[in-house]
Amino acid sequence: GAGVSQSPSNKVTEKGKDVELRCDPISGHTALYWYRQSLGQGLEFLIYFQGNSAPDKSGLPSDRFSAERTGGSVSTLTIQRTQQEDSAVYLCASSLGAGLGEVHFGNGTRLTVT
Amino acid sequence: GIQVEQSPPDLILQEGANSTLRCNFSDSVNNLQWFHQNPWGQLINLFYIPSGTKQNGRLSATTVATERYSLLYISSSQTTDSGVYFCAAETSGSRLTFGEGTQLTVNP
Repeated sequence: GAGVSQSPSNKVTEKGKDVELRCDPISGHTALYWYRQSLGQGLEFLIYFQGNSAPDKSGLPSDRFSAERTGGSVSTLTIQRTQQEDSAVYLCASSLGAGLGEVHFGNGTRLTVT
Repeated sequence: GIQVEQSPPDLILQEGANSTLRCNFSDSVNNLQWFHQNPWGQLINLFYIPSGTKQNGRLSATTVATERYSLLYISSSQTTDSGVYFCAAETSGSRLTFGEGTQLTVNP
C-alpha cells in the first residue's frame, strides 16, 4: 500500500489481558516510530527504530511495553497485563531515515481497556 | 533532549483571516516538520522544512535554523483548516520530538 498501515483500527480488551498492535510502514522506509496519544493530549513518544541500529526505547512507560521490528519492515507493539491507563490511540509513523524526508503517520489503533 | 515549544496554544479565527503559528526549538536540527491533525484524528504531514521557505497553496512555512524557530503561515483560512497543528524537530542521532500543538478553530 501507499501509506502506513496499522491494525487493528480499534481494540477493546479487558484489564490484565495482553494486546498486540501491528504497523506496516511505507515500503523502503528504514525509520519507524511509535507514539501514543490520550484524548485531547499531545503525542507521547514510545519507541524508535532506525535501520539495523539498536532501537531507542527511552519512551516506553513500563516493562509491560515492548516492540519488535522484524526484517526491517513490520513492527509489533505488545502491551502485557493491560491497565486502564493504557487506553489511548497508538500511532505508528515511518520515514526514509533519520532526518530524511517526510514522516508519515498511520491512522492509529484506538485501544480501550475496560 | 531537544525541547520544542509552540505558540499560541489556542487560536480562534473567522473564515478568511490569516494566521501565523510559531515553533521554537532548543538545539540545532536536521529535521523540522509541520503536521495537521484533523478533527478525526488523522495526522497529515504539511511540510518537511529543516531550513528555508516552502509554500503549498494557502500554507507556507519558514524555518530559520540559525535562530532556532519555524513559522507556519495560513492565509485565507477555511473551516477545514481547523484542528491541531504540531511541529516536530530532530537533532542528529536523536528521535523526532513533538511540540504540544496549536489548537486552531476557524469559524464560518
